[in-house]
Amino acid sequence: DTAVSQTPKYLVTQMGNDKSIKCEQNLGHDTMYWYKQDSKKFLKIMFSYNNKELIINETVPNRFSPKSPDKAHLNLHINSLELGDSAVYFCASSQDIAGSYNEQFFGPGTRLTVL
Amino acid sequence: GNSVTQMEGPVTLSEEAFLTINCTYTATGYPSLFWYVQYPGEGLQLLLKATKADDKGSNKGFEATYRKETTSFHLEKGSVQVSDSAVYFCALIQTGNQFYFGTGTSLTVIP
Repeated sequence: DTAVSQTPKYLVTQMGNDKSIKCEQNLGHDTMYWYKQDSKKFLKIMFSYNNKELIINETVPNRFSPKSPDKAHLNLHINSLELGDSAVYFCASSQDIAGSYNEQFFGPGTRLTVL
Repeated sequence: GNSVTQMEGPVTLSEEAFLTINCTYTATGYPSLFWYVQYPGEGLQLLLKATKADDKGSNKGFEATYRKETTSFHLEKGSVQVSDSAVYFCALIQTGNQFYFGTGTSLTVIP
């Protein structure tokens, strides 16, 4: 069973298009995240949701909008795609246990290429 | 604020060589520290962790010791294999569930 899954694995699209990336976790975790990894492997957190509520929203363009329909899903919608959005996007999840710092489980990534 | 600094890569080693990847951190309290590994084309996987000072995390022959006095969590392995070729990320978590990742260190092991 895949713990954190993402679709699609690869996404190639034209500038100006709107696209979505889906993420699902079957671990029963409370918190989910989106990260962007650039070509130099630098990993930057974009959003974090806890029980469907936004708790971290780093400085990303408002063209990026996360949507959490339920605790197990966190989708990322991107409007008006730009060349600079080309990257690998990772979804992750963790269990929120009071008084404990918990590892994050990562999905396999979605490689987005904007032409 | 919180931050993690890793040694710059890329690192290239011969098989069976000794590996050290340096990691230092800045945190206002007592974070937990992690090493994650990313194999080519895959997501990050937890390699090891340590939750308090002097703890040693270990897995797959890798080790790292949480050193509060030097604010470090260096990753070591006595004898690397070709299959260890990957990108290694040091990370800390303190309050809430937000991770702070280092910039990653790419390791290539040649036969």
